Amino acid sequence: NAGVMQNPRHLVRRRGQEARLRCSPMKGHSHVYWYRQLPEEGLKFMVYLQKENIIDESGMPKERFSAEFPKEGPSILRIQQVVRGDSAAYFCASSPNDRGYNEQFFGPGTRLTVL
Amino acid sequence: QQQVKQSPQSLIVQKGGISIINCAYENTAFDYFPWYQQFPGKGPALLIAIRPDVSEKKEGRFTISFNKSAKQFSLHIMDSQPGDSATYFCAASSGTYKYIFGTGTRLKVLA
Repeated sequence: NAGVMQNPRHLVRRRGQEARLRCSPMKGHSHVYWYRQLPEEGLKFMVYLQKENIIDESGMPKERFSAEFPKEGPSILRIQQVVRGDSAAYFCASSPNDRGYNEQFFGPGTRLTVL
Repeated sequence: QQQVKQSPQSLIVQKGGISIINCAYENTAFDYFPWYQQFPGKGPALLIAIRPDVSEKKEGRFTISFNKSAKQFSLHIMDSQPGDSATYFCAASSGTYKYIFGTGTRLKVLA
């Protein structure tokens, strides 16, 4: 049973370009969460999605960031017009439901570097 | 009030020693406290978790101690091994999906 998969693992973009990060949840999981980890900091919640629905995007910047989890295919975190401050590790997690007592399984992350 | 404060930032322990990492919180609505272990280049992985109805939970060499009145919880790694060298994150949630993570502790166990 494959774990949470994320790609690419490393992504380099120049300022002003777009970054697309993909996440495939574990088999049987329909709840996806995106977190951002800045250097020397903990993970910060960004957004929670179920298939075709954004449930909670309270942690996501209002501009330039968007997320989707279509009926078919992986969840996508999209960052438009990237800036240097967007450089971070972005982790996706999945769970079989959204109860807090259930483990969120994390992917290996995408490390975004903005030049 | 949504913060989880974690200390120390880094920790060096001799092989066979005890590693202790502490976390403190303010929000009394938090009722689930997991610890995650992260190796370089990898995603965090759940190590052990506790709910406030117990004061201690042990799994192998890893123990969580929980002090509800002080709003503190800690991770103890007994007989620390070089393979335990990683970054450890505490977290808290109030029965929902939204985990609040501490800032992490970088543990190095010397051989």
